[in-house]
Amino acid sequence: TQLLEQSPQFLSIQEGENLTVYCNSSSVFSSLQWYRQEPGEGPVLLVTVVTGGEVKKLKRLTFQFGDARKDSSLHITAAQPGDTGLYLCAGELSGTYKYIFGTGTRLKVLA
Amino acid sequence: DTGVSQDPRHKITKRGQNVTFRCDPISEHNRLYWYRQTLGQGPEFLTYFQNEAQLEKSRLLSDRFSAERPKGSFSTLEIQRTEQGDSAMYLCASSTVFFGPGTRLTVL
Repeated sequence: TQLLEQSPQFLSIQEGENLTVYCNSSSVFSSLQWYRQEPGEGPVLLVTVVTGGEVKKLKRLTFQFGDARKDSSLHITAAQPGDTGLYLCAGELSGTYKYIFGTGTRLKVLA
Repeated sequence: DTGVSQDPRHKITKRGQNVTFRCDPISEHNRLYWYRQTLGQGPEFLTYFQNEAQLEKSRLLSDRFSAERPKGSFSTLEIQRTEQGDSAMYLCASSTVFFGPGTRLTVL
């Protein structure tokens, strides 16, 4: 069974703090995607990383793909209440178009 | 608005009834995915299509579940003889980039 584990599962922080969310697996992925999901809505794609060791920045969000393409991290600098939501990683299994999702990290940023 | 629509948004049904959901993806996207998401969990892969061909089905998809994508356009997901354990959000994605808003199913 392919699993993508995210940690932490829950995170409650004050506005202005930094945080990192981790996504780990024993499987190798062709690509890895990060999403944010609001209650009652579908996930919204934030970024796709493809190359091992790749780092992408999206304003205050920094995404890194592990060298072996088995893990990834999402770092948020100076979190804001608008960052509150469920963060999901999803990996494309190598050689397939099949994507599996992580267990999710629920972030709450307090004003 | 991602351009992916799902209908209905909410469905309440009694155990044992059949239900059908529809997904209209972005027209130029060849791949269409179905996922199921329960509260507090990430989406679980159910099946995906490349045009009209169903390329993979998860073991989660029992014989009561069937999905179609006639002519490679919209897709339908049917659940026969619904059970309470089928209660979940059913998500459709157009090439995994764009997700629809989902159909929330409640089986009483």
